[in-house]
Amino acid sequence: DSGVTQTPKHLITATGQRVTLRCSPRSGDLSVYWYQQSLDQGLQFLIQYYNGEERAKGNILERFSAQQFPDLHSELNLSSLELGDSALYFCASRGDYNSPLHFGNGTRLTVT
Amino acid sequence: GQSLEQPSEVTAVEGAIVQINCTYQTSGFYGLSWYQQHDGGAPTFLSYNALDGLEETGRFSSFLSRSDSYGYLLLQELQMKDSASYFCAVRGSGNTPLVFGKGTRLSVIA
Repeated sequence: DSGVTQTPKHLITATGQRVTLRCSPRSGDLSVYWYQQSLDQGLQFLIQYYNGEERAKGNILERFSAQQFPDLHSELNLSSLELGDSALYFCASRGDYNSPLHFGNGTRLTVT
Repeated sequence: GQSLEQPSEVTAVEGAIVQINCTYQTSGFYGLSWYQQHDGGAPTFLSYNALDGLEETGRFSSFLSRSDSYGYLLLQELQMKDSASYFCAVRGSGNTPLVFGKGTRLSVIA
């Protein structure tokens, strides 16, 4: 158990809809990262937060947004969903810069 | 930016040794990491090399050559449970996010 909690585990929704994925980092970790993993693809970095502030943005679509709350949990909002958004979405956290990433078990999103 | 290349698939026999190579291009370099991911599971950290040379952790070892922008993961005494995808990853600096390769799918056969 990595200590990173993601909910829900599975999400099935229709095109055009909006969903929210939730992540609770390991206790004490201030940094949260969101990654997308499509079939047979690597982990694509989406966005990073540190102690409530956005720190880095990757290949995140404008339809996607995220935030990190004062209690350090983070939410990834995906809107106007398309079939191609179907993927595994991982959240990860880490302590200091020399620490490895600890990943949650992911949310599997299926858009139909 | 960063880019990484690693083989897409490798097959090896139980009990054997396998090496998974990774070459990278990056502006700035803050170490090469390796992660393991079983089907349907979360990526888990295996090893990290910041300096040239070999790091050993049990049956797994990781090597880095910064001058060649190259590293590898060595798995010894392969077990069926080692069947998984293995990702190399780099960071350009300490506070930048990890960029992952597309992963190498290792199949261990009897």
